[in-house]
Amino acid sequence: ETGVTQTPRHLVMGMTNKKSLKCEQHLGHNAMYWYKQSAKKPLELMFVYSLEERVENNSVPSRFSPECPNSSHLFLHLHTLQPEDSALYLCASSHGQGPNSPLHFGNGTRLTVT
Amino acid sequence: TQLLEQSPQFLSIQEGENLTVYCNSSSVFSSLQWYRQEPGEGPVLLVTVVTGGEVKKLKRLTFQFGDARKDSSLHITAAQPGDTGLYLCAGARRTSGSRLTFGEGTQLTVNP
Repeated sequence: ETGVTQTPRHLVMGMTNKKSLKCEQHLGHNAMYWYKQSAKKPLELMFVYSLEERVENNSVPSRFSPECPNSSHLFLHLHTLQPEDSALYLCASSHGQGPNSPLHFGNGTRLTVT
Repeated sequence: TQLLEQSPQFLSIQEGENLTVYCNSSSVFSSLQWYRQEPGEGPVLLVTVVTGGEVKKLKRLTFQFGDARKDSSLHITAAQPGDTGLYLCAGARRTSGSRLTFGEGTQLTVNP
């Protein structure tokens, strides 16, 4: 399997649930990202990991908790979410973090918070 | 205030027509990337432009980076239904490290 794989593809959860999103990349990249994509809004960068260390945290609420156990895997742990957190969550990876490093995206997890 | 403005937001055309979508900013970018996102999938990189005035061609798609590196355009010749998707531009600035600034996107529909 190649590329960036995200699971699950769809997730419906209540506001009191705890769930996790998983991302796996098989491209040998050393940087991984979580983005949030909402309707009629630009992609919002949430977290960046480089060599398994978090290098960016874009003022994301603490109900979102990332984890990067190794350079190939990235998780987003979710708890006590709000309905406005419903969105498409995209994982991406890149080789390096320079301004010209293209992002390779997964197909996303469509999250609905009820 | 949106840093990268894309226009139009929506475009519906017939197969065979030509079209241009725009990505504009008041900020200077060191490079600019264009992605296409199809329903149910993540964005896929089409091209990266890095030099002011640069023009890149990808089959029927022509990308141009403005001379001042503040804007870019994507021109599609003889559009086909397979070109349907959300076109996203994303700018990188040396001062922003790993952060790409995305536009809201142009949703293109090409009708057969």
